[in-house]
Parts: sequence; structure tokens; C-alpha cells
Amino acid sequence: GIQVEQSPPDLILQEGANSTLRCNFSDSVNNLQWFHQNPWGQLINLFYIPSGTKQNGRLSATTVATERYSLLYISSSQTTDSGVYFCAVGSRDMRFGAGTRLTVKP
Amino acid sequence: DGGITQSPKYLFRKEGQNVTLSCEQNLNHDAMYWYRQDPGQGLRLIYYSQIVNDFQKGDIAEGYSVSREKKESFPLTVTSAQKNPTAFYLCASSPAVLQTQYFGPGTRLLVL
Repeated sequence: GIQVEQSPPDLILQEGANSTLRCNFSDSVNNLQWFHQNPWGQLINLFYIPSGTKQNGRLSATTVATERYSLLYISSSQTTDSGVYFCAVGSRDMRFGAGTRLTVKP
Repeated sequence: DGGITQSPKYLFRKEGQNVTLSCEQNLNHDAMYWYRQDPGQGLRLIYYSQIVNDFQKGDIAEGYSVSREKKESFPLTVTSAQKNPTAFYLCASSPAVLQTQYFGPGTRLLVL
């Protein structure tokens, strides 16, 4: 099956800093999504991005499908950005990476 | 309000007992999914359903069963054959497969 690797596994930032999270996958996919899981366990969909670039406020994402990676950019980070960020890829069934745990300190 | 609801929020299972987790959506989505999350790990797919009366096994279906008799509902039964059921269970739905998935708040299952 498809392998999904996320890096870094942990990231600690000061409020206001920028960050880049990476997702590598082992095969071509029809579906790629980025999610944020808050401390209470709720997953929030950030981007549906099998290819190309999207932006939503301080967040943006780029997927280069031919090179099998996706990047999530967080600018001007806030303490509310803390949590775990997951990349999920696949076709009909989705595979999740292990996540990047982000901690933003005030 | 449109959304996905899961109940209960916490569930306790005794040894040898079957338990059923509820997942309901009013988003008119065709596809529904069940995932399991263990502490500090990503999500693993248990079952998914593309349409009513159809479902497919995911990576870790052993010890679980599902039904999809109504478009709105996709209950998951954790059977006594699942030897290590303690985990966080998340239900999701999407308009169709290959489209954005939306998640419910989850159910935490603990074994007594």
C-alpha cells in the first residue's frame, strides 16, 4: 500500500513565526488532504489538494504530484495553531501519515 | 446545523462484550468512513462505504463489523474478536469517494 511520511514529527515555534510541514508519499494518488487535529481530538479539514496550490488566510498548501510530495505553510503562527497536522493520501481508501505535532508558544 | 454526530463520547466495554458506536450525518453525503486512532499515531481505516448497502474493508477490519442500511447512518460494532479495542474512533463522510472528508467528534472506547 501507499506509504506516507510526514516531517518533522515535532515542531516548536514562537508565536509569529512561519513554518513548513512536509508530506511525502510513495505512489501516485487521486486524493490528498491536510487536516488539523485540535487537543480535543476533532479533525478539521484544511485543504483538499491532489495537485496545485491553494491558500486560505495564513495557511497555504502546495502539492507536486509528479514528485510525490505536498507542503503545508503556516505563516504568522498563533497559539491556536497548536495541535497535530495530518496529511492523508489515497484513492478510494485514504492513508494517513503519523502527523506533525506543532506547539506554538506565546 | 449540518454535520456529523458520534455517540457516545466515551464507551466502556467489558471483556467478551460487543459494543456499537453510532455515526450519523445530515450532509447528504454518499460516502462514509470509520477510522481508529491509537495514542500518538495517525488514523487507520477500518471500513468505508461508498453508497447505501455497500461497504469495503480497510486496513484493520478484523474484529469489527459495519452496516449501511440508511444513507445517514454508518454504525460500527466492535466485536469480542477485537482483542485490543481501546482507541479513539473517528467517523467521517464525504460527498463521494475522492472528495473532501469531514469528521465527527469521535468516540473513546475503553476496556474494563
